[in-house]
Amino acid sequence: EIVMTQSPATLSLSPGEGATLSCRASHDIDNNVAWYQQKPGQSPRLLMFTSSAPAAGIPDRFSGRGSGTEFTLTLSSLRSEDVAIYYCQQYHKWPLTFGGGTKVEIK
Amino acid sequence: QVQLLESGGGVVQPGTSLRLSCEASGFSFSSYGMHWVRQAPGKGLEWLAVVWFDETIIEYAESVKGRFTISRDNSKSVLFLDMSNLTVDDSAVYYCARRGGASWLDYWGQGTLVVVSS
Repeated sequence: EIVMTQSPATLSLSPGEGATLSCRASHDIDNNVAWYQQKPGQSPRLLMFTSSAPAAGIPDRFSGRGSGTEFTLTLSSLRSEDVAIYYCQQYHKWPLTFGGGTKVEIK
Repeated sequence: QVQLLESGGGVVQPGTSLRLSCEASGFSFSSYGMHWVRQAPGKGLEWLAVVWFDETIIEYAESVKGRFTISRDNSKSVLFLDMSNLTVDDSAVYYCARRGGASWLDYWGQGTLVVVSS
C-alpha cells in the first residue's frame, strides 16, 4: 500500500498570506495525485488532479505541483472561505490512499 | 448538474448487515466508474471500493475485502454497497463519488451516516 504523508497537520495563517501544503508518497507515483478540499460540515471537493491540473471552477489562487514522491498544493492568498481540511490522494496503484490531511485555519 | 444522493445509513448492531445506495443524476451513469469512501467521526478519508462502469473491474480496500460488496444497476443509475459483519470501527459517514479520469474522485455525494453500536 502506498502511504501518503501530509504536512503540516495544521496551518494557521492571516488573510492574504500564502500557504504551502506538502504531501509525500512512500513510493514513486509519477504525477498520479489529486487534492481535495473539505470545508466544515461539507463533503470533499476535487481541487486538482494529475498533480497540477485544476478541477472545474477552482480559483487560480490554488496551484499544484510535484512528481514522483513530493507534491505541494499552494494557496497564493488566503481567504476566509479557504478554511478547510485539504487531502491529497494517490491513484497510481490500488488501493487508493489518502493523506491524513492538513487543516488550514485563519489567525 | 451532477448529483449523487446516498441513503441507507442508520444505527445498527455489531455483526449485522446494511445496504447503502447512491442515486446518480445529471450525467450518464453507465459511462462512469464509481467509488465508495468513508470518514469516521473527526477522522480522515478512507477509500473503500471502486466499480468500473461495466463492472469489469472491482477493487476493495483490505479493511473491507470479504465483508463489503460494491455493485451497480446501470438501468436505474444506482450504486450499492452491501456491508456485512459490521463492527464499531465501521461507524462513519459513507460517501459515493464518481470516478474521474484515472481514478480521482470528481464529484461526491453528501454522505450517509452509519453508526454501529450495541
